[in-house]
Amino acid sequence: GDSVTQMEGPVTLSEEAFLTINCTYTATGYPSLFWYVQYPGEGLQLLLKATKADDKGSNKGFEATYRKETTSFHLEKGSVQVSDSAVYFCALSGGANSKLTFGKGITLSVRP
Amino acid sequence: DTEVTQTPKHLVMGMTNKKSLKCEQHMGHRAMYWYKQKAKKPPELMFVYSYEKLSINESVPSRFSPECPNSSLLNLHLHALQPEDSALYLCASSLGRWTLNTGELFFGEGSRLTVL
Repeated sequence: GDSVTQMEGPVTLSEEAFLTINCTYTATGYPSLFWYVQYPGEGLQLLLKATKADDKGSNKGFEATYRKETTSFHLEKGSVQVSDSAVYFCALSGGANSKLTFGKGITLSVRP
Repeated sequence: DTEVTQTPKHLVMGMTNKKSLKCEQHMGHRAMYWYKQKAKKPPELMFVYSYEKLSINESVPSRFSPECPNSSLLNLHLHALQPEDSALYLCASSLGRWTLNTGELFFGEGSRLTVL
């Protein structure tokens, strides 16, 4: 079945540091890929998405590129802020009759 | 501001109580979902309603009973819960069920349930 693997956390960075959060997936066919973010005490919000190979999703300075050859969708940001502290979930939707499958999530803490 | 509204934000109940969680959206979405989220874990799907009909039940115990009175409202009725049911319950909606959209869900802020 479909699955999403995220790097182990938590991750702690200083403000303005570069961020990479790894995500790889297993799916049949051509899934759509997502990053959801959950700020403390809140529900999940869609951060960005990509629906086909080589698409780049971007939002709020975050970017992720759909790499079919490496089955990856790594999240990057050039300069993190304290307000980026949250839990980040990579997810995929495998297409027809397919549920949204989440990775385990990773907690990011950004120090001033 | 989230466009999926959940009430109450916090709920404490005993194992013999009956309570309900409510969810409302006014985006014209035709699919609505209940998820359960334990601390530091991803959300787990419980139920999916599509066009006001229950389309997916992920083998959830009968002490959880969903209801979709209309296309904007989704309820989760709770009865005889166990302490291990304590969690954040998230409601979500989407334009159509997964088959009809690219999987983008809009989540509410959740109802934090504590069962004593």
